[in-house]
Amino acid sequence: QKEVEQDPGPLSVPEGAIVSLNCTYSNSAFQYFMWYRQYSRKGPELLMYTYSSGNKEDGRFTAQVDKSSKYISLFIRDSQPSDSATYLCAMSVYGNQFYFGTGTSLTVIP
Amino acid sequence: GAVVSQHPSRVICKSGTSVKIECRSLDFQATTMFWYRQFPKQSLMLMATSNEGSKATYEQGVEKDKFLINHASLTLSTLTVTSAHPEDSSFYICSAGGQGNYEQYFGPGTRLTVT
Repeated sequence: QKEVEQDPGPLSVPEGAIVSLNCTYSNSAFQYFMWYRQYSRKGPELLMYTYSSGNKEDGRFTAQVDKSSKYISLFIRDSQPSDSATYLCAMSVYGNQFYFGTGTSLTVIP
Repeated sequence: GAVVSQHPSRVICKSGTSVKIECRSLDFQATTMFWYRQFPKQSLMLMATSNEGSKATYEQGVEKDKFLINHASLTLSTLTVTSAHPEDSSFYICSAGGQGNYEQYFGPGTRLTVT
């Protein structure tokens, strides 16, 4: 079993839709949860991070962590064509060693 | 966020030659740098972790004699792919670790094509 599972998609939504991206994990020791966005042929850029359980909101993006279910989500409200990218979840126990999901490819159709 | 650069952005080389990729943290000192490999439509595969001034730690299955990593300063790490073969063609991405536990800043990647 992989440490982190993420549905690769692809996911295609109309502009303005609410997008829900999810990851599950098996290691209950994970404490830090990150979401990265990666445009084609570019390096990943950090979107959001959350420590332990709870929600975090930043503009149109909301990250949720449910440690009891070992489940994290990223919600994108009012999705835009510029949000079209691959979204990677990442987790760590402590320090910089990350475990990445496979990424979900998202296309927002104008 | 911090800025990490990689050079070159893309390189084409002949089979059997060596290629060096540089990773620089431009505005902070990175005690730890990571090297990843990414195949099309797949996630990042960690190859090795390097700490400034010490030997890199390679992940299982990664040949340390083929992928030479040097982290001579707090702002520069290099990955040298020795005796490259077509199967080494991939997207190589470095990242630099910051102070916080969630901080890992990625470079833009280097597309290596071995002919």
